[in-house]
Amino acid sequence: DTAVSQTPKYLVTQMGNDKSIKCEQNLGHDTMYWYKQDSKKFLKIMFSYNNKELIINETVPNRFSPKSPDKAHLNLHINSLELGDSAVYFCASSLRLAGSYNEQFFGPGTRLTVL
Amino acid sequence: DAKTTQPTSMDCAEGRAANLPCNHSTISGNEYVYWYRQIHSQGPQYIIHGLKNNETNEMASLIITEDRKSSTLILPHATLRDTAVYYCIVRVAPGTQGGSEKLVFGKGTKLTVNP
Repeated sequence: DTAVSQTPKYLVTQMGNDKSIKCEQNLGHDTMYWYKQDSKKFLKIMFSYNNKELIINETVPNRFSPKSPDKAHLNLHINSLELGDSAVYFCASSLRLAGSYNEQFFGPGTRLTVL
Repeated sequence: DAKTTQPTSMDCAEGRAANLPCNHSTISGNEYVYWYRQIHSQGPQYIIHGLKNNETNEMASLIITEDRKSSTLILPHATLRDTAVYYCIVRVAPGTQGGSEKLVFGKGTKLTVNP
């Protein structure tokens, strides 16, 4: 009963390639997120979608394009991969209700290595 | 930038209480204190949150000082599986006026539970 799942778990690719990471949640949440954790373990938000609408874009290069086909899915497509894109990418989801807990549930992460 | 300050690392003996401090001296009246943890190679996991009253759940207790400028996360009987990086985060609850879906992670405290 995986709540937030990501595929693939590991991704090794060459510089310049285009790749996608998929995320799905079965929690009925309306908000989903992408976070990046770099080699120094610093965890930073990249994007957030609420009901398929982009609500947070943290000055991420436009080579990164999130796509939300429906509330349960948020995919991350990366064009022209660079060495600095190597990191662990975490997907998360939450509710967005006033006065509620709104805790975020994180996926297991996708370790991207760009050679 | 994270609005919290935490010690870089702490040790705790198995079975003893682990008390993790967090300073948030610039916290606003409508900002909550959230705690997450990240066990090695996994996605962050929500632990607890509070506004001004002390809170307790099945995982931990959260003690917030009366002036709300600091808080302590307490794991009452630490186990080896509690070894993780613990993050203290302040934010206005999403869905409320001025609320933010964004979690801003600092460097956290690396807690090591020793046998």
